[in-house]
Amino acid sequence: DTAVSQTPKYLVTQMGNDKSIKCEQNLGHDTMYWYKQDSKKFLKIMFSYNNKELIINETVPNRFSPKSPDKAHLNLHINSLELGDSAVYFCASSQNPSGPQADTQYFGPGTRLTVL
Amino acid sequence: GEDVEQSLFLSVREGDSSVINCTYTDSSSTYLYWYKQEPGAGLQLLTYIFSNMDMKQDQRLTVLLNKKDKHLSLRIADTQTGDSAIYFCAESGGYQKVTFGIGTKLQVIP
Repeated sequence: DTAVSQTPKYLVTQMGNDKSIKCEQNLGHDTMYWYKQDSKKFLKIMFSYNNKELIINETVPNRFSPKSPDKAHLNLHINSLELGDSAVYFCASSQNPSGPQADTQYFGPGTRLTVL
Repeated sequence: GEDVEQSLFLSVREGDSSVINCTYTDSSSTYLYWYKQEPGAGLQLLTYIFSNMDMKQDQRLTVLLNKKDKHLSLRIADTQTGDSAIYFCAESGGYQKVTFGIGTKLQVIP
């Protein structure tokens, strides 16, 4: 009965490789997000999708490409991995209608990516 | 752009009250949140406050909002060792974009 799930939990890979992280939510939410948390715990939004459409795209290298096959899934594909991509990546989801529920975000457990 | 600031670290003794402070810059912020992150875990929503409120209490948690000074605080009464975590302040203007602070690491000393 996990609300927001991510796979894998840990990912260790070499520089230059391409990797994907998957996210699924079973909350019926319309909006999903990807965040990057660096080693200093700073949490920065990367992307946001609403009903499979991109609505927030912060300054992120175009090596990062989100893909939303349906509103319950938002996957993150990273090409040509670099050392600086090492971080914990969190997926989150929220409801669409107005009110605090619209922005209350439910987070997945995170994927720790280590680039060697 | 929006900015949310918090102190990095707070240490308290078990049983004391903890007060974690946060300031934000966006005067159009509609919702303000406190999230808790335990080691190795994702963020968990603790509480939120609507911008037209100045206080919200939920069991051991009290949120105070000073909208004029754009200051938000989280008070944890009778702090326990299980409260040790990183606490994130966040704000939103209601357009699905939430801006998080850098997080305050709370250490509870037994």
